[in-house]
Amino acid sequence: DAGITQSPRHKVTETGTPVTLRCHQTENHRYMYWYRQDPGHGLRLIHYSYGVKDTDKGEVSDGYSVSRSKTEDFLLTLESATSSQTSVYFCAISEVAPGMETQYFGPGTRLLVL
Amino acid sequence: QKEVEQDPGPLSVPEGAIVSLNCTYSNSAFQYFMWYRQYSRKGPELLMYTYSSGNKEDGRFTAQVDKSSKYISLFIRDSQPSDSATYLCAMRFSNTDKLIFGTGTRLQVFP
Repeated sequence: DAGITQSPRHKVTETGTPVTLRCHQTENHRYMYWYRQDPGHGLRLIHYSYGVKDTDKGEVSDGYSVSRSKTEDFLLTLESATSSQTSVYFCAISEVAPGMETQYFGPGTRLLVL
Repeated sequence: QKEVEQDPGPLSVPEGAIVSLNCTYSNSAFQYFMWYRQYSRKGPELLMYTYSSGNKEDGRFTAQVDKSSKYISLFIRDSQPSDSATYLCAMRFSNTDKLIFGTGTRLQVFP
């Protein structure tokens, strides 16, 4: 499972409140990603990181921010949650092996914004 | 038009059947192709990884890439109820780590 954990695994919150999701990895991977998964849209990239304090936006970054102060932790923050941010959030890491570079996913966080 | 198209299903087959799952794509520059399996309420797990055109086999699974038609397939032989899941195709260009995903096909294998 590439040593990825996400917390919390489930969260219910109210519109307008801040929410932070945590991704933790144990294998010192440089590249980390946050995705959201919604019916009919598949997996969409929110933000990604190439190392400590090196982050950038993905295709659906509006309303989200990230931070990476340690290699092992990648935090996703919804500054003021909206109902449109109700989704399942996945963290991923990128692993490079000879002839193969692809992404491995965490177990996900289910977020409901009321 | 989406860059990667995938029929959402559900696809329902009896145990033992051969299953064919497919994705089409629009950008001929994609070089790496992947299939992920996602069980209900779990994260996607990498199933198959292929580079450029051709076939790759791993047990009951065969991944096929036809770059001339911009079409990739995943075949599952002797399907089992444990294969019931959503299958996501993904692909990327050679000069980036970013993956583009299909929306997934839900497969149900009944005993």
